[in-house]
Amino acid sequence: NAGVTQTPKFRVLKTGQSMTLLCAQDMNHEYMYWYRQDPGMGLRLIHYSVGEGTTAKGEVPDGYNVSRLKKQNFLLGLESAAPSQTSVYFCASSSRQGASFEQYFGPGTRLTVT
Amino acid sequence: ILNVEQSPQSLHVQEGDSTNFTCSFPSSNFYALHWYRWETAKSPEALFVMTLNGDEKKKGRISATLNTKEGYSYLYIKGSQPEDSATYLCALGGYSGYALNFGKGTSLLVTP
Repeated sequence: NAGVTQTPKFRVLKTGQSMTLLCAQDMNHEYMYWYRQDPGMGLRLIHYSVGEGTTAKGEVPDGYNVSRLKKQNFLLGLESAAPSQTSVYFCASSSRQGASFEQYFGPGTRLTVT
Repeated sequence: ILNVEQSPQSLHVQEGDSTNFTCSFPSSNFYALHWYRWETAKSPEALFVMTLNGDEKKKGRISATLNTKEGYSYLYIKGSQPEDSATYLCALGGYSGYALNFGKGTSLLVTP
């Protein structure tokens, strides 16, 4: 199993450009999450999904949109990138099985907006 | 948002020393407390998930305790090794999608 994968690993955008980050998991997990990691800030939740076709806002959702059309994929979109969105983005997934809800993280996407 | 505070921010110990970190939180309104280990250039990996007051978990030389009444969790590392060098994250799991609120982490450096 590949676990959680993220595409791309690195990207440089210019202000105003748009892009989509793809997260895929092969563990049949119900829950998926997008976090951003900034120096001195820790991991902060952007959006999450509790199942196919459902999404919800996290702590820092502004400027981002998400979609979960298939259970295994969770897409994070930036419609008009801003320098404040320069960050490392992590996707994670978890299962309701076993009631621990341990999260499995992808390798991260490093995004720079100039 | 479930506030999570971790201390110390960073720690430098010698190989063989035992050490511990603290995770504190003001409210017991969460379903679980998680500890993650995050090595440089890798992604966070789960160490422990604890749900009940008094929970204790152990994995090799690493153990953790949870006290929801007084609002803290401790992570202990016995006989630190250089490969224990990493950032240790504490997170509270809320009831909304079981999403996690992370602390800023404790960065541990173990030198030979």
